[in-house]
Amino acid sequence: EAGVTQFPSHSVIEKGQTVTLRCDPISGHDNLYWYRRVMGKEIKFLLHFVKESKQDESGMPNNRFLAERTGGTYSTLKVQPAELEDSGVYFCASSQLAGDLGTQYFGPGTRLLVL
Amino acid sequence: AQSVTQLDSQVPVFEEAPVELRCNYSSSVSVYLFWYVQYPNQGLQLLLKYLSGSTLVKGINGFEAEFNKSQTSFHLRKPSVHISDTAEYFCAVSAVKAAGNKLTFGGGTRVLVKP
Repeated sequence: EAGVTQFPSHSVIEKGQTVTLRCDPISGHDNLYWYRRVMGKEIKFLLHFVKESKQDESGMPNNRFLAERTGGTYSTLKVQPAELEDSGVYFCASSQLAGDLGTQYFGPGTRLLVL
Repeated sequence: AQSVTQLDSQVPVFEEAPVELRCNYSSSVSVYLFWYVQYPNQGLQLLLKYLSGSTLVKGINGFEAEFNKSQTSFHLRKPSVHISDTAEYFCAVSAVKAAGNKLTFGGGTRVLVKP
């Protein structure tokens, strides 16, 4: 069974540009989460989808971040326009809706550097 | 809301020596507890989890952790480390309810195993 995949693995962009990160969850996992780790800080929750619906977006830093999960499969996280403080590692995770008591499985992350 | 404190940001240890990584949490509700590991240039991998039952939990790669409710701790141990255990370790909690809860992470502990 394939794990959670993320694309791209790395992205270097200039301040003011737009970047879109993609996450493909484990097949059959209805829960999908985005997290972020800014350099030197702890990993922080951004938002949670259940299928295509946003269940909790309390961690989204501001309206420059837009997450979508059309069709309830893969998800995208767009940052527009990117700022220097958006640099960090963006992780995606998925879990079953029921069973396994919500254990989350993480992707390898996307390392974003905004110059 | 929950919070997680990992008391050591870095732990140097010699090969074949034991290691203990400390984790304390704070929560107004019951929680599930997790340890994740991130090897260099890789994503987060689940080491072990405590959901209920026996307070001593065994995970992959010879790691184990003990849940202590009275001390709100979930320390991770390994009796004899290998060079390959060099990684960053994260303690995390999620509130107990239906599957699909966000994780709250500690700041991480970097373990450097020296020959």
